[in-house]
Amino acid sequence: KQEVTQIPAALSVPEGENLVLNCSFTDSAIYNLQWFRQDPGKGLTSLLLIQSSQREQTSGRLNASLDKSSGRSTLYIAASQPGDSATYLCAVRAVQGGSEKLVFGKGTKLTVNP
Amino acid sequence: GAGVSQSPRYKVAKRGQDVALRCDPISGHVSLFWYQQALGQGPEFLTYFQNEAQLDKSGLPSDRFFAERPEGSVSTLKIQRTQQEDSAVYLCASSLARQGSSYNSPLHFGNGTRLTVT
Repeated sequence: KQEVTQIPAALSVPEGENLVLNCSFTDSAIYNLQWFRQDPGKGLTSLLLIQSSQREQTSGRLNASLDKSSGRSTLYIAASQPGDSATYLCAVRAVQGGSEKLVFGKGTKLTVNP
Repeated sequence: GAGVSQSPRYKVAKRGQDVALRCDPISGHVSLFWYQQALGQGPEFLTYFQNEAQLDKSGLPSDRFFAERPEGSVSTLKIQRTQQEDSAVYLCASSLARQGSSYNSPLHFGNGTRLTVT
């Protein structure tokens, strides 16, 4: 059974710092990996999607990498801002229980202090 | 250009009541998923539709949970005889591609329905 783990569970940094969020998964047979942002009381906003054949994706100050063979992904946030404060969720799309689905980690709660 | 819409945003039910949660996916999206998110946890899969066909309901926690998508568009998640452990945020997501296609399109999530059972 695919399991996704995110470390750390919570992170607090001063504004302007570069930071890395980690995600690991137990089964490398995935279609893609997606990073989401979730603000309190809100749904999930897709940040980056990396196909299984890709190594990284970039969007603005965000860069996500994927090492499928080792079951790891990182989300790099450059020059963090207070507006980046949110919970970041990693999810892999894989076949489980007979159909494709996203399997999520528990998230990393990020606080960027002004 | 509307996204995934869910209603109601909040629902308070007394234990034993039935509830119905609605999801309007993005127009033209083939795949539709329901997820349950407990406080402080990541979303957990409940069920998956491809058009009107419910292809996977392995995540539904009990036979009190029922989902449908009769015309391949709007979906309803129904919970009968609600229990306190059903309290959670219920998220709906849709994606353009069907399963098994070579193009894995991203999932787009709604804001969820927060269900509180008292």
